[in-house]
Amino acid sequence: NAGVTQTPKFQVLKTGQSMTLQCAQDMNHEYMSWYRQDPGMGLRLIHYSVGAGITDQGEVPNGYNVSRSTTEDFPLRLLSAAPSQTSVYFCASSYSAGRGQETQYFGPGTRLLVL
Amino acid sequence: KNQVEQSPQSLIILEGKNCTLQCNYTVSPFSNLRWYKQDTGRGPVSLTIMTFSENTKSNGRYTATLDADTKQSSLHITASQLSDSASYICVVRSENTGTASKLTFGTGTRLQVTL
Repeated sequence: NAGVTQTPKFQVLKTGQSMTLQCAQDMNHEYMSWYRQDPGMGLRLIHYSVGAGITDQGEVPNGYNVSRSTTEDFPLRLLSAAPSQTSVYFCASSYSAGRGQETQYFGPGTRLLVL
Repeated sequence: KNQVEQSPQSLIILEGKNCTLQCNYTVSPFSNLRWYKQDTGRGPVSLTIMTFSENTKSNGRYTATLDADTKQSSLHITASQLSDSASYICVVRSENTGTASKLTFGTGTRLQVTL
């Protein structure tokens, strides 16, 4: 299993540009999520999905869009990049979003710099 | 507001020595507490997951403790190795009525193991 994969690893954007961060998992996990990690702050949830066709907002969703057309893929779209979106983005997946002790698996991250 | 605080922020120890990292939380209602290891430039990797009824859990040289009464957890690393150099993140899951429970992330303790 490749686990959770993310592309690209690093990206530089200009303010106002749009782009899509790709995330895929091959573990048949129902639950997938996107986080951003900023210096001095814990990971913060952007959007999540509990299954194909179902998405919802996390705590910092503004400026981001997601869709989940398949179980495997969960892309994150930046609609109009802003310098405040400079961050490291992590995709994660787990078997379910239930109340158990399911392990959450993280991808390697995408480092985004917005100029 | 749910919060997870970790101490110290950073720590330097000699190879072979033991160390203990602390985590205090104010998350309610509590579901479980997780410790993750994050190597530089990589995504977090789960070390342990502890529920309310568990007060100790080990994973090799890593031992986590949980005191649900005082809302404190610690991660003890025995006989440290250079490969233990990483950030260690405490994460507390709260129990929601919806389909996706909430994870609150600490900012992490940066551990450096030196010769």
